[in-house]
Amino acid sequence: DTEVTQTPKHLVMGMTNKKSLKCEQHMGHRAMYWYKQKAKKPPELMFVYSYEKLSINESVPSRFSPECPNSSLLNLHLHALQPEDSALYLCASSQDLVWPDGSSYNEQFFGPGTRLTVL
Amino acid sequence: GDSVTQMEGPVTLSEEAFLTINCTYTATGYPSLFWYVQYPGEGLQLLLKATKADDKGSNKGFEATYRKETTSFHLEKGSVQVSDSAVYFCALSSKPLQGAQKLVFGQGTRLTINP
Repeated sequence: DTEVTQTPKHLVMGMTNKKSLKCEQHMGHRAMYWYKQKAKKPPELMFVYSYEKLSINESVPSRFSPECPNSSLLNLHLHALQPEDSALYLCASSQDLVWPDGSSYNEQFFGPGTRLTVL
Repeated sequence: GDSVTQMEGPVTLSEEAFLTINCTYTATGYPSLFWYVQYPGEGLQLLLKATKADDKGSNKGFEATYRKETTSFHLEKGSVQVSDSAVYFCALSSKPLQGAQKLVFGQGTRLTINP
């Protein structure tokens, strides 16, 4: 199984709502990622979990709250979002390998994304 | 820090034309290099990869060679099809001093192939 799944595919929420995005992988990957992608832009890294611990938070506003319940699951909890948070939210996973010479190898597998609209 | 510079486009070609999308990078050490493709309304799919200098990645008729001397990883295809219309992202694997590894993306190149 080389698939990363994300639910829901689409989400519309008001600024006072609380919702969650879910991501799942069964490839045994130990690193999982959340990205935000605006139209015509590359994905923008938000959070990285490595071995179920938060490793990178790219100064994301606290209205986005990540959670990694186990090595296969990654959630993104949303609360009091703003219209400018409307975007495609992508999840990814990787083995997070480092070659013997110390060089980096970070092939990431992406899910199909959740299209979020904040009204 | 590490960075990727990519031909932004948009690029419009006729079917069966030759494609080149330029990608150059700046990095410490010898990162792995990737091309990802994103079709409309979808996530990113890995198109090809190269892990060391002079490696050639290939998939679905696309090729790219890891050139350390020119710090480049240009994407090429000899004869494009309408189904190749998508956004293409060049990326490198980055290992900061602290924290997990991550991908550094170029800005993306939108490719449209006309029949």
